[in-house]
Amino acid sequence: GQQVMQIPQYQHVQEGEDFTTYCNSSTTLSNIQWYKQRPGGHPVFLIQLVKSGEVKKQKRLTFQFGEAKKNSSLHITATQTTDVGTYFCAGLKTSYDKVIFGPGTSLSVIP
Amino acid sequence: DAGVIQSPRHEVTEMGQEVTLRCKPISGHDYLFWYRQTMMRGLELLIYFNNNVPIDDSGMPEDRFSAKMPNASFSTLKIQPSEPRDSAVYFCASSFGTGNYEQYFGPGTRLTVT
Repeated sequence: GQQVMQIPQYQHVQEGEDFTTYCNSSTTLSNIQWYKQRPGGHPVFLIQLVKSGEVKKQKRLTFQFGEAKKNSSLHITATQTTDVGTYFCAGLKTSYDKVIFGPGTSLSVIP
Repeated sequence: DAGVIQSPRHEVTEMGQEVTLRCKPISGHDYLFWYRQTMMRGLELLIYFNNNVPIDDSGMPEDRFSAKMPNASFSTLKIQPSEPRDSAVYFCASSFGTGNYEQYFGPGTRLTVT
């Protein structure tokens, strides 16, 4: 079946450093979503990418969808302590299918 | 809107007892999802409904788990009998559609089975 993988599993960075998490699918995706879960909280939707090669920015966060629509990345510039949490990608094979969540990347920011 | 509402927020029960988790989706959303989250298995989709009808329950671990959605504003996830390995955080989420729409998650129910 469809699998969505993420690397790294954990990342510890010094405040101000950049951070990147990568999401890879075994199959071509229709779209990909990113969610953030703060410690003790629930997943919160960040963004959706649909087009091949698409790049979207939200302040210090940059999201990219690969040309082959099999991978995606989330890059955070100059991390802050408010960025702490687990970042999940969720891939969709077809528009009418259910999303498959990756295992997440847990980000720790050392002040 | 109050968002997705789940109750209880915390549940501690003994092995063998019946557990019922409740969810009220966001008004107007016609999809409802139940997830289970553990350190070992991550975020797992258990079942989802469209217009109160179960569409895919392939993630339900075994017959001890059942879910219902009697109307558009209420759903339950029941575990009977509960086992220690069922200990997890259970999230309910709702959306306007499946993959093309963002999911709004509730605060979750932390279940501990002793």
